[in-house]
Amino acid sequence: GQNIDQPTEMTATEGAIVQINCTYQTSGFNGLFWYQQHAGEAPTFLSYNVLDGLEEKGRFSSFLSRSKGYSYLLLKELQMKDSASYLCAPAFNQAGTALIFGKGTTLSVSS
Amino acid sequence: DAGITQSPRHKVTETGTPVTLRCHQTENHRYMYWYRQDPGHGLRLIHYSYGVKDTDKGEVSDGYSVSRSKTEDFLLTLESATSSQTSVYFCAISEVRGRGTSPLHFGNGTRLTVT
Repeated sequence: GQNIDQPTEMTATEGAIVQINCTYQTSGFNGLFWYQQHAGEAPTFLSYNVLDGLEEKGRFSSFLSRSKGYSYLLLKELQMKDSASYLCAPAFNQAGTALIFGKGTTLSVSS
Repeated sequence: DAGITQSPRHKVTETGTPVTLRCHQTENHRYMYWYRQDPGHGLRLIHYSYGVKDTDKGEVSDGYSVSRSKTEDFLLTLESATSSQTSVYFCAISEVRGRGTSPLHFGNGTRLTVT
């Protein structure tokens, strides 16, 4: 079966660093995506890990450990506009094209 | 932004009526998907397509059918809508690249209400 676990809610203040964890169990695995979704909008792509290790992209970084079924998204220098839902999505088919999404972590950034 | 258009953007329909949602892309991507998003459940895959006339079921496919007769169009049909199908429906596209897949790019969604 497929199972993805991430915290439901997190809060942080502007300028801080926050880490959103995701653990997953899927029938197959070929990479893991992180998406950002603002309320009432479509999800937008943030990062992709297919190999173990850290991928850095500006203020956002994502880490993957395939052996542990674990990933995290690290957001630095938080801004108010980072208040959104963050979705962890492993790809479970061989081609890496079919994703299953976690329920998302709602991050609230306050001043 | 990826060229993905969903229509209609909003629809209200009655229980038992058929409903078809359309997703149109201009990116010539091979893979297309239909997800639904509900509070407490997140995004759930309904069906996906890996080419013209090639489709497969996702985790919540009961009550839904799809068709893809052209690369650019992926239709989602609710043969007889039920209140449990009230949701926001997202279409997405992707392509396979050299190392893994390209990210899914989502359309703006269709808000469907079944009364």
